[in-house]
Amino acid sequence: NAGVMQNPRHLVRRRGQEARLRCSPMKGHSHVYWYRQLPEEGLKFMVYLQKENIIDESGMPKERFSAEFPKEGPSILRIQQVVRGDSAAYFCASSRLTSTEAFFGQGTRLTVV
Amino acid sequence: DQQVKQNSPSLSVQEGRISILNCDYTNSMFDYFLWYKKYPAEGPTFLISISSIKDKNEDGRFTVFLNKSAKHLSLHIVPSQPGDSAVYFCAASEAGGTSYGKLTFGQGTILTVHP
Repeated sequence: NAGVMQNPRHLVRRRGQEARLRCSPMKGHSHVYWYRQLPEEGLKFMVYLQKENIIDESGMPKERFSAEFPKEGPSILRIQQVVRGDSAAYFCASSRLTSTEAFFGQGTRLTVV
Repeated sequence: DQQVKQNSPSLSVQEGRISILNCDYTNSMFDYFLWYKKYPAEGPTFLISISSIKDKNEDGRFTVFLNKSAKHLSLHIVPSQPGDSAVYFCAASEAGGTSYGKLTFGQGTILTVHP
């Protein structure tokens, strides 16, 4: 049973470009969460999605960031017009139900140059 | 506002001894608490959790204690092993709210276990 798969593991983007981060949840998991970890900080919740629905996006920056979890395929975290401050590790987690622990992927390290 | 705090950035312990990692929280709506372990360049790995209706949960070498009145929890690792060296994150959720997957994390404590 494969774990949560994130790709790419490392992503370099120039300022102003778009970044797309992908997350495939564990088999049987229908709940996906995105977190961001800035250098020297803990993980910060960004968004919680179920298939085709955004349940809670209270941690998402108001501009440039969006997330989706389509009926088919992985969840996508999209960052438009990236800036240096977007450089961070982005982690995806999934859970089977709302009442079970979430399991994390290995993360995507985004570097904006 | 830091709702979950791990005030010790690092902890150094001798192999075989007990490691005690501490965590404080301020949000009284938190009712489910978890500990995650993280190695460099990897994602957090779930270790152990505790519901607010309990004050202790044990799993092998790992025990989590919860003191609701003090809004404090701790993770005990006995005996500590060099492979336990990692960053440990305390996390909390309002399980009665959205879900256990929406977590508030502390800043982490770097545990180093010396052979």
